[in-house]
Amino acid sequence: GAVVSQHPSWVICKSGTSVKIECRSLDFQATTMFWYRQFPKQSLMLMATSNEGSKATYEQGVEKDKFLINHASLTLSTLTVTSAHPEDSSFYICSAPPRLAGDTETQYFGPGTRLLVL
Amino acid sequence: QKEVEQDPGPLSVPEGAIVSLNCTYSNSAFQYFMWYRQYSRKGPELLMYTYSSGNKEDGRFTAQVDKSSKYISLFIRDSQPSDSATYLCALGLGGSEKLVFGKGTKLTVNP
Repeated sequence: GAVVSQHPSWVICKSGTSVKIECRSLDFQATTMFWYRQFPKQSLMLMATSNEGSKATYEQGVEKDKFLINHASLTLSTLTVTSAHPEDSSFYICSAPPRLAGDTETQYFGPGTRLLVL
Repeated sequence: QKEVEQDPGPLSVPEGAIVSLNCTYSNSAFQYFMWYRQYSRKGPELLMYTYSSGNKEDGRFTAQVDKSSKYISLFIRDSQPSDSATYLCALGLGGSEKLVFGKGTKLTVNP
């Protein structure tokens, strides 16, 4: 299957600092990538849809000024958590639908980034 | 009513058992149905996806969709301890639209 990577896999930071998380599609191009957040024992909650070359689309209740998304190329999207607070501690996961013949409706997930804000 | 309902379990079965995992949904516009497996502290891994009502089999896994009842299932035959994970159903409208996930069912297969 298609491969999506994320970096870093985990990060610990102090309250008030900003953290950048990268999501890369390794063997395919992705005009769209999705960013999810998952709290312990909860399902994945979509935060935003990242669109290459244009502004991201945020889900209701997600602060776009706090969670900055940049999709500068067809293989890279970044999520920056600005002025992080302890309540932002979570598991952040990206996904991308590959543009493969007969496979355009599935999404492949990255391994996730665990963020702990102290 | 939530768009997708999934019993979070936990579900514990002995090795070799047949496991049945289910989701119900309310929006009849969903066209794509997926099952993901997520091990602890890992990203979800795509297991199965289907586009239409009926069954799709892949090894020990069978995905079943009943659009008339808005009900999807994942069956695991001859379950193994390595199947222990959280299983998430995901539904999509198509066209690279966002997916709606169930809460996930935590499965433990005991040796």
